[in-house]
Amino acid sequence: GAVVSQHPSWVICKSGTSVKIECRSLDFQATTMFWYRQFPKQSLMLMATSNEGSKATYEQGVEKDKFLINHASLTLSTLTVTSAHPEDSSFYICSAKRASHSNQPQHFGDGTRLSIL
Amino acid sequence: QQPVQSPQAVILREGEDAVINCSSSKALYSVHWYRQKHGEAPVFLMILLKGGEQKGHEKISASFNEKKQQSSLYLTASQLSYSGTYFCGTPGRSGGTSYGKLTFGQGTILTVHP
Repeated sequence: GAVVSQHPSWVICKSGTSVKIECRSLDFQATTMFWYRQFPKQSLMLMATSNEGSKATYEQGVEKDKFLINHASLTLSTLTVTSAHPEDSSFYICSAKRASHSNQPQHFGDGTRLSIL
Repeated sequence: QQPVQSPQAVILREGEDAVINCSSSKALYSVHWYRQKHGEAPVFLMILLKGGEQKGHEKISASFNEKKQQSSLYLTASQLSYSGTYFCGTPGRSGGTSYGKLTFGQGTILTVHP
């Protein structure tokens, strides 16, 4: 199967702290990874698309300087929430695809629950 | 543009059937279906690529009507393990530079009781 690991699973920190979340594809090379944000009882909202070796593509309304994405290798993408504030508290989920074609499924990590005090 | 799912929620007893619909206002090239249990990550169920295509996963199947720009997910003889939120996802366009990103519907909450 396709396994995607996300770490950490839960973060509680003070306002103003920067938080880094890692997303790894464990048994396949992911040309493309996606970062989502999900509020309780709501849908998955795409934040950005991450491609290995190139800059991430952010969705409209997502602050690039606030949510830094780095896709350093074919198996690792990171999301850094810089100077986090309570309104950034949410469930962040990554997903990875074997190929960039839309016919391939996305495989999701277990998500990171971020709570900013 | 976000696809629209209906119904918003379904409550079933074990063994009953349900249908979840996913409609789009724009042309659909494929439809992806996922299930998410509370507090967990979404799990891939199936992709439908062609108009009229039907697929099955255990007792869960789906159809894709390209002309009507909609897909339906059929849950037959539901089990307790089917409980969760079901999302359909649609790509921006066929191929191109969309990198296969998906726009997800708002979700349908399915609850199966004993």
